[in-house]
Amino acid sequence: GAVVSQHPSRVICKSGTSVKIECRSLDFQATTMFWYRQFPKQSLMLMATSNEGSKATYEQGVEKDKFLINHASLTLSTLTVTSAHPEDSSFYICSARAGTGDFRNEQFFGPGTRLTVL
Amino acid sequence: GDSVTQMEGPVTLSEEAFLTINCTYTATGYPSLFWYVQYPGEGLQLLLKATKADDKGSNKGFEATYRKETTSFHLEKGSVQVSDSAVYFCALNTGGFKTIFGAGTRLFVKA
Repeated sequence: GAVVSQHPSRVICKSGTSVKIECRSLDFQATTMFWYRQFPKQSLMLMATSNEGSKATYEQGVEKDKFLINHASLTLSTLTVTSAHPEDSSFYICSARAGTGDFRNEQFFGPGTRLTVL
Repeated sequence: GDSVTQMEGPVTLSEEAFLTINCTYTATGYPSLFWYVQYPGEGLQLLLKATKADDKGSNKGFEATYRKETTSFHLEKGSVQVSDSAVYFCALNTGGFKTIFGAGTRLFVKA
């Protein structure tokens, strides 16, 4: 149990387009989801935290109009990179925190999405 | 604020060598401590965890003990394999919200 999936796993897009990344908790309800960004050979940087049904809380320096986060249900959160540019190319990883059940308060990570903007 | 410091890599070892990756933390309260592993091109996998002082987390031959007195959570393995080559992240979490990661330590194991 406690699986988090991300889709797509890889995406290549042209500069100026928008890209949506989905994060799903497959077998538990995620009251909180987190979005991280990882640059090559670096650690994970928390971008934002979202609770189901409310607006995301963004970390300092992260543009909320650039990185739109929607946590519409207890099993789905989406990250939309709007008007993507080459500097947005990165590995994006989501994480979900279970609110109830056997894995309550544990955090589980998705496999990541590699975004390349040409 | 809370933080995690782990030894810089890369660490290069021969197969069957002993591995230690140091990790120390700074936190208010009583965090849970984790080691995650990231294989090339993949996301993070939880390797082991410890939720209170003196707990020992273990998995796949890796071990780490939560040392409150030294605020440390060093990762050890008695005999590494080529398949252990990956990046290892030490992390802490207070209350189930933000997880704070160390910078990561890249391990190369040579046959």
